[in-house]
Amino acid sequence: DAGITQSPRHKVTETGTPVTLRCHQTENHRYMYWYRQDPGHGLRLIHYSYGVKDTDKGEVSDGYSVSRSKTEDFLLTLESATSSQTSVYFCAISESESGGQGGTQYFGPGTRLTVL
Amino acid sequence: QKEVEQDPGPLSVPEGAIVSLNCTYSNSAFQYFMWYRQYSRKGPELLMYTYSSGNKEDGRFTAQVDKSSKYISLFIRDSQPSDSATYLCASGYSSASKIIFGSGTRLSIRP
Repeated sequence: DAGITQSPRHKVTETGTPVTLRCHQTENHRYMYWYRQDPGHGLRLIHYSYGVKDTDKGEVSDGYSVSRSKTEDFLLTLESATSSQTSVYFCAISESESGGQGGTQYFGPGTRLTVL
Repeated sequence: QKEVEQDPGPLSVPEGAIVSLNCTYSNSAFQYFMWYRQYSRKGPELLMYTYSSGNKEDGRFTAQVDKSSKYISLFIRDSQPSDSATYLCASGYSSASKIIFGSGTRLSIRP
């Protein structure tokens, strides 16, 4: 998985509780991404980061926040989890944002989150 | 309309068959195209990358892009049971943050 780990790998939580997912990379890539994957929707971008402390919103950012204090770590926080946030969450990294092959993304193993 | 459309399948073929997987996209600004393979309960892994139109071959896999019709294809020759997975197409342009993924086609190769 291109030197990307995600923790936890599985989590069950209750509605209204805060949840933080961690992505850790050993590739020293500048760009990091959080996606969610749901049946019928494919992968949808939640937030991404283009450097330490530099983040931006993706397609489905409502209810999520992110932080990146070190190059290797990108955290996704659900401030108050809802059942609609039950999903599989993937972290991805890329070397650059260019249109070239350096901009292609490599994915972690995923975190399966269930919100009851 | 989704920017990248993909038939979800499932698609089931016998071992050794040629498999054709297809996607369409709507944004004419898309310049690069990818195919990812995703095994059950794993993260997607990059299979093929293509820039602009044309064909690219890698072993048993051929990726084809027709920008005039906004059509993306992946061909798998001599398919194997180990090719059974979900295949995701993806398209984007100058910004990697703007990659759009198809919803994936589930493929099963019967021994």
